[in-house]
Amino acid sequence: QVQLVQSGAEVKKPGASVKLSCKASGYTFTSYYMHWVRQAPGQGLEWMGMIYPNGGSTSYAQKLQGRVTMTRDTSTSTIYMELSSLRSEDTALYYCVRDNSAFDIWGQGTMVTVSS
Amino acid sequence: DIVMTQTPLSLPVTLGQPASISCRSSQSLVHSDGNTYLSWLQQRPGQPPRLLIYKISNRFSGVPDRFSGSGAGTDFTLKISRVEAEDVGVYYCMQATQLTWTFGQGTKVEIK
Repeated sequence: QVQLVQSGAEVKKPGASVKLSCKASGYTFTSYYMHWVRQAPGQGLEWMGMIYPNGGSTSYAQKLQGRVTMTRDTSTSTIYMELSSLRSEDTALYYCVRDNSAFDIWGQGTMVTVSS
Repeated sequence: DIVMTQTPLSLPVTLGQPASISCRSSQSLVHSDGNTYLSWLQQRPGQPPRLLIYKISNRFSGVPDRFSGSGAGTDFTLKISRVEAEDVGVYYCMQATQLTWTFGQGTKVEIK
C-alpha cells in the first residue's frame, strides 16, 4: 500500500542541525510533489517547503529560507529535510506529506526536540 | 501569504447532531488552472492529519458521506451531518495557491 515511513525521534542542542528522512513506497516516487509540515506541541500545522522528486526542484517557506534544505534520493525513494541552526522554537513533530492535488498521504511524524 | 481564518476555534457538539466549520481566505483561492485547491484535514488525538475533502467538495477515499464541503472564492464550509464519537479531533482547512500552502488555525471538535 501507499505509505511514507519517517526516521526516528531526534534530540538536538541549540545551534545544531538535524536531518530527517521519509521513505516512500507503493507508488511512483517521482510523480508527486512532496512536502514537509511541522507541528509544535499543542499548536497548528506549519508548511515548511516542498520538493519535486523528479528533478529535485524545491520551494521553501520564507520564514525558513537559509536554514532548511530538502533533497531526495530516487534510488531509494527517500526524501530528506535538513534544518540547521536549531533553536527551541524548532521543537516539533515533523511530517512528510505526498501532494496529489491535496495532501493525501502523511508520514507518521518525527519528533525533534531542541534542548540544551 | 494567504491567511486562512477558521471559525469557531472550539466546537462542542452533541452526538448525532450536525456541525459546521467555516474557513475564510484573505484572497481568492481560484488557481490559474481554474481549480480551487481548498482541502479539509482531520487530526484525531495523537495521530497525523488525515485528508477528508479536497478541491472544496470532493471526499477522499474512505471518508464517510456525513462529511461534506462547500464554498467558493474566499468562503468555505465543512459540515458533518451527524457527529459521531470518532469525529472528535481538530479540523484544519488548507489552501494551495501560487506555490504557497497555508493552514487555518484549526477547530477543535469535542462532544458535549
